[in-house]
Amino acid sequence: DTAVSQTPKYLVTQMGNDKSIKCEQNLGHDTMYWYKQDSKKFLKIMFSYNNKELIINETVPNRFSPKSPDKAHLNLHINSLELGDSAVYFCASSNRVSGANVLTFGAGSRLTVL
Amino acid sequence: GQNIDQPTEMTATEGAIVQINCTYQTSGFNGLFWYQQHAGEAPTFLSYNVLDGLEEKGRFSSFLSRSKGYSYLLLKELQMKDSASYLCAVKDSNYQLIWGAGTKLIIKP
Repeated sequence: DTAVSQTPKYLVTQMGNDKSIKCEQNLGHDTMYWYKQDSKKFLKIMFSYNNKELIINETVPNRFSPKSPDKAHLNLHINSLELGDSAVYFCASSNRVSGANVLTFGAGSRLTVL
Repeated sequence: GQNIDQPTEMTATEGAIVQINCTYQTSGFNGLFWYQQHAGEAPTFLSYNVLDGLEEKGRFSSFLSRSKGYSYLLLKELQMKDSASYLCAVKDSNYQLIWGAGTKLIIKP
């Protein structure tokens, strides 16, 4: 069983379209994250949810909207896609109450906007 | 601003030892992490240091000096499968992770 699973793994779409990426974790973690990794390989936090509540919302365009229906799921919806949105998006989860708060990442979703 | 610095790329020989350095300047410190990321894959956790000193875990060790804002990851008996990027990340005073850009390690036979 995959601990953090995200779909789709690859997404190729046209500018202006709307797309969603889904994420589920079966680790019983209380916190989930969305990260963006661009071509320079920097991992940038986008959002973090703790028990379905938004706790981190970095400066990302409001075209990006996270939704957490329950603490095991955190989906990412992107409206009006732009060329600069092309990147790998990683979902991750952790137990925030634990000392180290180690992140477990999903396999990533590579988004290409044409 | 907050900053994590690590070399962009390093090359080492199979069977040898390599040390990957990380220096950081962050608002507060609540721990330092090393993650390994193979090309096209997700980052996976390697080590966590919150107190000064060396933490050893098999072939991998991680060192921390909080007064110097410095850490290193030491990889011994290098294997071809160790070719990957190694990401340093620091948890700041707000418990947010600040990530370095990673060091791409190339292992040659």
